[in-house]
Amino acid sequence: AQKITQTQPGMFVQEKEAVTLDCTYDTSDQSYGLFWYKQPSSGEMIFLIYQGSYDEQNATEGRYSLNFQKARKSANLVISASQLGDSAMYFCAMREGGGRDDKIIFGKGTRLHILP
Amino acid sequence: EPEVTQTPSHQVTQMGQEVILRCVPISNHLYFYWYRQILGQKVEFLVSFYNNEISEKSEIFDDQFSVERPDGSNFTLKIRSTKLEDSAMYFCASSEGAGGGETQYFGPGTRLLVL
Repeated sequence: AQKITQTQPGMFVQEKEAVTLDCTYDTSDQSYGLFWYKQPSSGEMIFLIYQGSYDEQNATEGRYSLNFQKARKSANLVISASQLGDSAMYFCAMREGGGRDDKIIFGKGTRLHILP
Repeated sequence: EPEVTQTPSHQVTQMGQEVILRCVPISNHLYFYWYRQILGQKVEFLVSFYNNEISEKSEIFDDQFSVERPDGSNFTLKIRSTKLEDSAMYFCASSEGAGGGETQYFGPGTRLLVL
């Protein structure tokens, strides 16, 4: 079973609109972290936002916010007021807790296209 | 702002040749990682490294791969005898701690092409 599921392979959004990128995850750990990374066409992986499983508030970083619904095991990324520079691949990822399973597991990504 | 750096940015090699990919993690970080991304696919974990030894490795990380921290700053990934299917983007990452609460910061990647 997939640990991280991103159901939208691609999205087209008009500039200045808000966009929600979906992510669901699967873990039996109580302690885990959820991440979103942006990968522009140049290839680098840029960390955007982090949500801890025990955090009660949704994480926000500038125009990025994470809509964390623990019971549903979803961690959607919301980008407000999208810009042309937001066009990129976006990966949802999870790191399970306790230090024993240290790696980050990535979803397959969503390619976001911002239209002028 | 401190960042992870990787060299070279691109490498082209012949099948069967050895390659060494270099990374300089963020200076106060203690945990180091290599991931790879085959073109058009998702990012896959290769190996994690802490306290001068491998903590965990994936099934991809076979005997052709090795990692080393030769000094206090560099972290290298060696592929002994490259295969065509090793062509990918290789990312180094580092984090201050381990576990679910720690962010891993990625380098810009090395794009490896095996001919």
